[in-house]
Formats: sequence, structure tokens, C-alpha cells
Amino acid sequence: ETGVTQTPRHLVMGMTNKKSLKCEQHLGHNAMYWYKQSAKKPLELMFVYNFKEQTENNSVPSRFSPECPNSSHLFLHLHTLQPEDSALYLCASSLMSGSYNEQFFGPGTRLTVL
Amino acid sequence: GQQVMQIPQYQHVQEGEDFTTYCNSSTTLSNIQWYKQRPGGHPVFLIQLVKSGEVKKQKRLTFQFGEAKKNSSLHITATQTTDVGTYFCAANSGGSNYKLTFGKGTLLTVNP
Repeated sequence: ETGVTQTPRHLVMGMTNKKSLKCEQHLGHNAMYWYKQSAKKPLELMFVYNFKEQTENNSVPSRFSPECPNSSHLFLHLHTLQPEDSALYLCASSLMSGSYNEQFFGPGTRLTVL
Repeated sequence: GQQVMQIPQYQHVQEGEDFTTYCNSSTTLSNIQWYKQRPGGHPVFLIQLVKSGEVKKQKRLTFQFGEAKKNSSLHITATQTTDVGTYFCAANSGGSNYKLTFGKGTLLTVNP
């Protein structure tokens, strides 16, 4: 248990569905991240939020929409996804302090798009 | 954008053998981190290296950061079955110290 929780753990959705992934951190961190992990690819950073402000959008398609209502919660809203979006979606958080930036990952949501 | 090359992609060893994974960047890095992901699990932070030529040890694990701060390695002495998993390096090239670029990882399997 890393102090970062994600729900749901598994999600199957059709291409016309709308769903949301939720992440919550109980560590008092000030930065939160969404990553995508596909087979045979490196972990891909999608979004970064620092003190609730989005500071990075790594050229992610608009069918992924993040929301960070406060520094403890992060959502990823999904709509009209494609089968190639099937992957493990990982949330992480960190306490940015100088150059030290250990990231704590949640267990991930395994997403399958049919 | 920033790219980090990690080799090998896979490594299978007999229990008790040593293991090394290497990470290389074409640009100078501010720091580098290492993570381990067990099968079916999520990445777990192992260590961060910041200084040129830095060497850190954690029990059987030895981490090195190159003198030019462009490469790093993780060496495991006398592997055990509990070492099974994928080892990732994650590079920070400075500026935004919260943005990490991950290598593809090295999947280590250990034959008991």
C-alpha cells in the first residue's frame, strides 16, 4: 500500500461510452500525474498537476480529459476512446522538494476498450 | 523530446547469478531514478542519483550514475527469485524536476 489509491481497478468500455478514472493520494503531496503503460512501450507521461494546476499535457488526445479538484484527488475522464487506448493507467504523486522527486504510484486501472 | 535507452530488454538468469541493466541518454541529466515493477504490480521507487559518478548501494543492489551524467546502471549481486520484475530507469533532464522520462525497462526472470 503506497498511499495512492485508484478506482476502478479494471474497466471494460465500448468506444461510445463515457467513464472516469479516479485517483486519491493520502500522502500530503503537491503533485499528481497520469501515466499510460502499454505492452512493449515505456511508461508514457500524460498529465502533470502541480498544486492543482495543470503544468504538463504531453500531447494527449482530447478524448482524455483530466480534472484535479484539489491536491489529493485526480480524475481522468474518458470518452469516445479507441481500442488502441487499452492499457494500464497509472496515477502517481510526489512531494516536489528541491531536486528530490520520488514518485509514488497507485495500483493502476486496467482499461480495455472494445 | 528526451529519450532514454535501456538495455537489455529481457534478462533470464539462474538464481545466484548477477544481473545488470543499463540506461543511456544522449543529453546530460539532472538526476536519474530507478523503479521496480513486479509482475501485475505497479512501479515502486528504489533510488535517486543526483551527483556525477555517484554510487549507492542497497543490500545486493548497486546503482551508479556516470561521470558525464548521461548513463546509469543497476547491478544485482547473487539474484534471488524475489528479484523478479521489470526494472525501469527514469530520467530528469532538469527544468521541470517533476517530469520523468522512463526507459522501456528490463524484465528480469530468475530460475530457481
